[in-house]
Amino acid sequence: EPEVTQTPSHQVTQMGQEVILRCVPISNHLYFYWYRQILGQKVEFLVSFYNNEISEKSEIFDDQFSVERPDGSNFTLKIRSTKLEDSAMYFCASSEAEKLFFGSGTQLSVL
Amino acid sequence: AQSVTQLGSHVSVSEGALVLLRCNYSSSVPPYLFWYVQYPNQGLQLLLKYTTGATLVKGINGFEAEFKKSETSFHLTKPSAHMSDAAEYFCAVSEFEEYGNKLVFGAGTILRVKS
Repeated sequence: EPEVTQTPSHQVTQMGQEVILRCVPISNHLYFYWYRQILGQKVEFLVSFYNNEISEKSEIFDDQFSVERPDGSNFTLKIRSTKLEDSAMYFCASSEAEKLFFGSGTQLSVL
Repeated sequence: AQSVTQLGSHVSVSEGALVLLRCNYSSSVPPYLFWYVQYPNQGLQLLLKYTTGATLVKGINGFEAEFKKSETSFHLTKPSAHMSDAAEYFCAVSEFEEYGNKLVFGAGTILRVKS
């Protein structure tokens, strides 16, 4: 079965540094998403991306966050200046319609 | 706004016993409903979904769920638990729009299966 691939699986960074989380969605999917899960909390929606633009974003997705589909296969989440509270598991997902396929996540630790 | 409540953050059953994980939702429009499972160090895997049609939906690994509009519930069941079912289970609700499908998740229920 096709799958969503995320790299790296773990990322450690210093507060204030920029990080880029990478995702390869399933090739024929049209919709792309980022979710995150802070330890012990709910999985939260961050942003959805369709037709090469952000279609919806949550309150969490402030100016420090950006997404990009640079080459038609990758889908990236950039955090410009990381904060301690950005430490979480970040999940990428893609879909053709209502069924989302999730990657295995990137565990981001901000020190 | 949509929301999901999962009753019980931890559920423990014996191997072979019935599994019942509870989910109640709130939605202003007919919802799409999902159950996802997360095994340790893995991503979220779809167990089953309800969009329209038959209210009893069957998923992978012997799980099923019933959409009850009058009770705003979508409880997950499995007649006989297996050790391999130990994982965290998430109920989610959404309204699929033309621009995508924003899922709202519950807090999750950790299922423990005792031998």
